[in-house]
Amino acid sequence: GAVVSQHPSWVICKSGTSVKIECRSLDFQATTMFWYRQFPKQSLMLMATSNEGSKATYEQGVEKDKFLINHASLTLSTLTVTSAHPEDSSFYICSANRDRGFETQYFGPGTRLLVL
Amino acid sequence: AQTVTQSQPEMSVQEAETVTLSCTYDTSESDYYLFWYKQPPSRQMILVIRQEAYKQQNATENRFSVNFQKAAKSFSLKISDSQLGDAAMYFCAYSFQGGATNKLIFGTGTLLAVQP
Repeated sequence: GAVVSQHPSWVICKSGTSVKIECRSLDFQATTMFWYRQFPKQSLMLMATSNEGSKATYEQGVEKDKFLINHASLTLSTLTVTSAHPEDSSFYICSANRDRGFETQYFGPGTRLLVL
Repeated sequence: AQTVTQSQPEMSVQEAETVTLSCTYDTSESDYYLFWYKQPPSRQMILVIRQEAYKQQNATENRFSVNFQKAAKSFSLKISDSQLGDAAMYFCAYSFQGGATNKLIFGTGTLLAVQP
């Protein structure tokens, strides 16, 4: 149990366009979902935390208008990179947990974004 | 502020041998969770083991075990009978209750190579 999927796994887009990444919990309801960014050979950096039906909480330094997060249901969260630029190229990972508190986070397989 | 430190950027172990990965953390909290996650070349984050801070007994999952020293704020991972499939980046992570949700703070990672 506790499977998280992400779609797409790979995306290439032109500079100035917007890209949407979906994160789904397949066999459980996720009270909270998290979005991370990872640069090559580096650790994961938390971008934002989202709870179903409420606005996402962004970490310091993360542009809210650049990275739009919507948590429409208990099984789906989306990250939209608006007006993408080459510096937004990265590996984006989502995670989800089942209960509030110290529950384990289960990770999706990640999405590689390349902005040309 | 909570921090997680992994002082070994790279480690190497012979197949079937034992290796220990180090992790220290800093916190003023008394109740928290600690995790080891594995990230193979596929970049899928996989939970290896977790430890609840209020439990004195060290967690064990098959060939993986931890040495949790709460007073020293140390949380090392021991991999016994290393296998080629254990080769990956290993991240130590600390979880605390940040407001209404828990957050994960990751270390910088240790790249483990397994030599045949």
